[in-house]
Amino acid sequence: GAGVSQSPSNKVTEKGKDVELRCDPISGHTALYWYRQRLGQGLEFLIYFQGNSAPDKSGLPSDRFSAERTGESVSTLTIQRTQQEDSAVYLCASSLWESSYNEQFFGPGTRLTVL
Amino acid sequence: AQSVTQPDIHITVSEGASLELRCNYSYGATPYLFWYVQSPGQGLQLLLKYFSGDTLVQGIKGFEAEFKRSQSSFNLRKPSVHWSDAAEYFCAVAALTGANNLFFGTGTRLTVIP
Repeated sequence: GAGVSQSPSNKVTEKGKDVELRCDPISGHTALYWYRQRLGQGLEFLIYFQGNSAPDKSGLPSDRFSAERTGESVSTLTIQRTQQEDSAVYLCASSLWESSYNEQFFGPGTRLTVL
Repeated sequence: AQSVTQPDIHITVSEGASLELRCNYSYGATPYLFWYVQSPGQGLQLLLKYFSGDTLVQGIKGFEAEFKRSQSSFNLRKPSVHWSDAAEYFCAVAALTGANNLFFGTGTRLTVIP
């Protein structure tokens, strides 16, 4: 079956603009995760959804970041008033449910460049 | 709090040589540990995982890793590296509470020379 998909694959924006990043999880996966990967660094956890509920938003770096999910389907990560430090690869992952027994399957990521 | 350290930023090995990538973790209880590989333009792929039981775990693509509690380590090994193994390798530990998210190391970039 299809894996996790993300769009766009690349996004270049100007400082101060808003951007939306999209994630399509594997069908039937109830848990969805967003991570950020800055150049030369490991992945940084941002937020996770169980269904369309986001019980843990502690990883979001600022109130400019928000995310939503429609049912157990598509999720959108929105960054408002982008800053240069937001430049990174944003990775989405999904799993069957919120347990580390279940492998997280990752998408290819969206590379965001803020000029 | 959980954390992962990968002390080697970049490793270069010759094709056919053996490989060991180091990973040290910090966690108060028995950790759930993972190794992922990221090839250019691709998402992360799980190589192997350790939850409990046998401390030597086998993964895909001929990789294995050994959990050593006394050293807080989970090093990844491969006896003979192939050119296609060139990629970025990430070690991770699971949160196990709350989001069950993964805490990742900073990664080790592997270069394979002919």
